[in-house]
Amino acid sequence: GENVEQHPSTLSVQEGDSAVIKCTYSDSASNYFPWYKQELGKRPQLIIDIRSNVGEKKDQRIAVTLNKTAKHFSLHITETQPEDSAVYFCAATPLWGNTGKLIFGQGTTLQVKP
Amino acid sequence: EAGVAQSPRYKIIEKRQSVAFWCNPISGHATLYWYQQILGQGPKLLIQFQNNGVVDDSQLPKDRFSAERLKGVDSTLKIQPAKLEDSAVYLCASSFAGTPDPYEQYFGPGTRLTVT
Repeated sequence: GENVEQHPSTLSVQEGDSAVIKCTYSDSASNYFPWYKQELGKRPQLIIDIRSNVGEKKDQRIAVTLNKTAKHFSLHITETQPEDSAVYFCAATPLWGNTGKLIFGQGTTLQVKP
Repeated sequence: EAGVAQSPRYKIIEKRQSVAFWCNPISGHATLYWYQQILGQGPKLLIQFQNNGVVDDSQLPKDRFSAERLKGVDSTLKIQPAKLEDSAVYLCASSFAGTPDPYEQYFGPGTRLTVT
């Protein structure tokens, strides 16, 4: 079945450093790749997404890159701040059935040390 | 705009008991999703509705889980009987349209279920 692998499972960086989280997906038909941020005890919130017709997207300190050939995509956070500390989930949508069904990765716990 | 509403926020039950969760999606959102998020894992889709019809329930344990969305708005998810491994956060999400191009899914606060 469809699968999304996410690495690393935990990531600790100093404030101001960059953080990179990587995901690979199994279904080559996937065409939509969102990233969600989930703070402790709160709901997942979309922070950025990318569609298969582009290779990179930026939004202030956050960027996502997509390599469809290799079937992987990455989240890049620059100039990290303590409030970036949270669990980050990548997801992918396979095209079969066109249902918008999201397959989530296992999550990355990011800790930004002040 | 108002977000996705869920209730209750927390529920503790004993195994073999029944429990029901309620979700009210964002107004106008035709697609509604129920996810199960076990501690330390990503959300896993249980069932997806488009209006009041089921689009995908391939990962719903149908021997014990059921869900409905009778009028195409609110939805309920029921577990009967509950098992210890059902302990998780149950997230409801909604989106404007599920096909053919997925729109952003908005999540509710979730219901944390503990089965003892």
